[in-house]
Amino acid sequence: AQSVTQPDIHITVSEGASLELRCNYSYGATPYLFWYVQSPGQGLQLLLKYFSGDTLVQGIKGFEAEFKRSQSSFNLRKPSVHWSDAAEYFCAVGLGLTGGGNKLTFGTGTQLKVEL
Amino acid sequence: AAGVIQSPRHLIKEKRETATLKCYPIPRHDTVYWYQQGPGQDPQFLISFYEKMQSDKGSIPDRFSAQQFSDYHSELNMSSLELGDSALYFCASSPPGTSTDTQYFGPGTRLTVL
Repeated sequence: AQSVTQPDIHITVSEGASLELRCNYSYGATPYLFWYVQSPGQGLQLLLKYFSGDTLVQGIKGFEAEFKRSQSSFNLRKPSVHWSDAAEYFCAVGLGLTGGGNKLTFGTGTQLKVEL
Repeated sequence: AAGVIQSPRHLIKEKRETATLKCYPIPRHDTVYWYQQGPGQDPQFLISFYEKMQSDKGSIPDRFSAQQFSDYHSELNMSSLELGDSALYFCASSPPGTSTDTQYFGPGTRLTVL
């Protein structure tokens, strides 16, 4: 079964500083990888996704993530954090099996706090 | 752009009551997923439907049932509610013709069981 680990439960950065959120996955084949962001009491917004091809993917709001097969990682980065980025970030893995309807397995999330 | 619609947004029920949550996917999306997110937890997969057939099943209690209708909307029926069912319930949808599992989430229904 697939699993996702987000080692950092909480991260605090200063506004304008760079950000990296870690995500490691466990799956026998190449997974489909996603990053979602959730503001308090809100739904999950898709930031970016990786299926194949270029291992550096660009997303919305200036985020990017790099897939590293050798490290089973899919870390999320942003060069300069804005106060509005404060939220919870979830990494997720999908199996991509044919037929559709395949579940996503989420990590436990990383809570980002931005200091002004 | 149209998003996933969930209703109601908030629901308060007593123990042992029933609840029905509704989900309207993004237009032309044919796959619907349900997730449960407890306080401070990550979303846990409950069940999914692809072209109106159950596709995958997770840790959904036997007290819960769901279906997808001909117009692709879905309903999650919850009976004999327990205090532990209090959570945020998300619906997500994904477009046809792909197995990439890109899921777009609705705003959620917050269920409180008293």
